[in-house]
Amino acid sequence: GIQVEQSPPDLILQEGANSTLRCNFSDSVNNLQWFHQNPWGQLINLFYIPSGTKQNGRLSATTVATERYSLLYISSSQTTDSGVYFCAVATGANNLFFGTGTRLTVIP
Amino acid sequence: SAVISQKPSRDICQRGTSLTIQCQVDSQVTMMFWYRQQPGQSLTLIATANQGSEATYESGFVIDKFPISRPNLTFSTLTVSNMSPEDSSIYLCSVGNAGELFFGEGSRLTVL
Repeated sequence: GIQVEQSPPDLILQEGANSTLRCNFSDSVNNLQWFHQNPWGQLINLFYIPSGTKQNGRLSATTVATERYSLLYISSSQTTDSGVYFCAVATGANNLFFGTGTRLTVIP
Repeated sequence: SAVISQKPSRDICQRGTSLTIQCQVDSQVTMMFWYRQQPGQSLTLIATANQGSEATYESGFVIDKFPISRPNLTFSTLTVSNMSPEDSSIYLCSVGNAGELFFGEGSRLTVL
């Protein structure tokens, strides 16, 4: 099956700092999504981005499908950004395969 | 996006028992999926819940352990059978909408 690797596995930031999270995948995909799992376990949709660039407030994402990677940018981080960020991809039907996640901790 | 409700939100279960998790969506959806998230791990797809036919299971998951029902386009159940402590996980229902997947809040099971 498709392999989805995320880096870094853990990240600690001072509040106000910027960060870039990376997602590499091993095959062509027709769906790529970024999620934030908050400390209560809820998965929050951030971006549906099989290709191109999108921005939503302090967050933006870029997927370069031909090179099989996606990047999630977080600017001016806040403590509420803490949690685990997952990249997930699909190669055919809608079922997503999840990466290993990046655990982000933002310190006040 | 669809509103996805799961019940129970959490439960503590005894070894050897079974528990059924319900997933209700506020609109008709074609694709419904069940995922498992073991403690500290990523999400793993258990199966695709097919309306009117048997679910499609991923490698490592079998119908006897995780029977799934999908009686209509807005509802599905996942049963975790003959539970052991290794089944302690968050179980999440997911639905597809125009290519994008959305998740319920999950059902956190602890097996003693």
